[in-house]
Amino acid sequence: DGGITQSPKYLFRKEGQNVTLSCEQNLNHDAMYWYRQDPGQGLRLIYYSQIVNDFQKGDIAEGYSVSREKKESFPLTVTSAQKNPTAFYLCASSTRQGTNQPQHFGDGTRLSIL
Amino acid sequence: GNSVTQMEGPVTLSEEAFLTINCTYTATGYPSLFWYVQYPGEGLQLLLKATKADDKGSNKGFEATYRKETTSFHLEKGSVQVSDSAVYFCALGRAGGTSYGKLTFGQGTILTVHP
Repeated sequence: DGGITQSPKYLFRKEGQNVTLSCEQNLNHDAMYWYRQDPGQGLRLIYYSQIVNDFQKGDIAEGYSVSREKKESFPLTVTSAQKNPTAFYLCASSTRQGTNQPQHFGDGTRLSIL
Repeated sequence: GNSVTQMEGPVTLSEEAFLTINCTYTATGYPSLFWYVQYPGEGLQLLLKATKADDKGSNKGFEATYRKETTSFHLEKGSVQVSDSAVYFCALGRAGGTSYGKLTFGQGTILTVHP
C-alpha cells in the first residue's frame, strides 16, 4: 500500500543537540510538507518542497532545516536554535496539480526535550 | 491573507446526536475547502472536500457545503457514533501562483461522543 512513513514515532532531544526526523513517501508525489502541531493551535507550516532539490520556508521556519535530494524523502532537522521544539511533527505530500488535491499525512513524530 | 476559523471546542455529544462544526474562511480567489480528521496519536486523514461554490462534499455520513456567499464550510452529521470521537480540522487550499498544494488549517475542534 502507498503511503507516508515517519520515523521515529517518539524522539527526545538534549539541550544544544540537532535531531533529524525522517519522512518517506511511495505515492510518487512531487510536493512534500512539514507541519508542527501544538495543542489548540492547529497545524503550522514549517517548510515545503514542490520538486526535488527545491524547498521553501513556511510560516515558522526559524530553527529548522530541510533537504530534498530524492523525490521520496524530505527529512526535517530541528536545530539547537529552535528553543521550543516540543511538539507533534507531521509530514505530508500531494500532487502538484492545482489547489484541489488533498494532502496525505504520515502518523507523526512526537518530539520532547530531555 | 488566507485564514480559517473553526468553532471553539471541545464538543461533547451523546451517540446518535446531530453534529455541526462551524467553519468560516477568508481568502482571495476561489480556494478549495477540506475537512480532515485526526484520531489519537495519528496523522490527519482527508474526510471530504469541495472545490467550488455550492459543491457538497460527503463521506462516512459527514457532509459539508461550500457556501461562497457566507464564506462557510460547516461540517454536519445526522447521527454520530462513539467511533467519530476525534479532532476535526477545516482547511483551505491556497489559490493561484506557486502556492498550489499549500493548505491553511483551522485550529481544530475536539469531538467526544459518549455512548
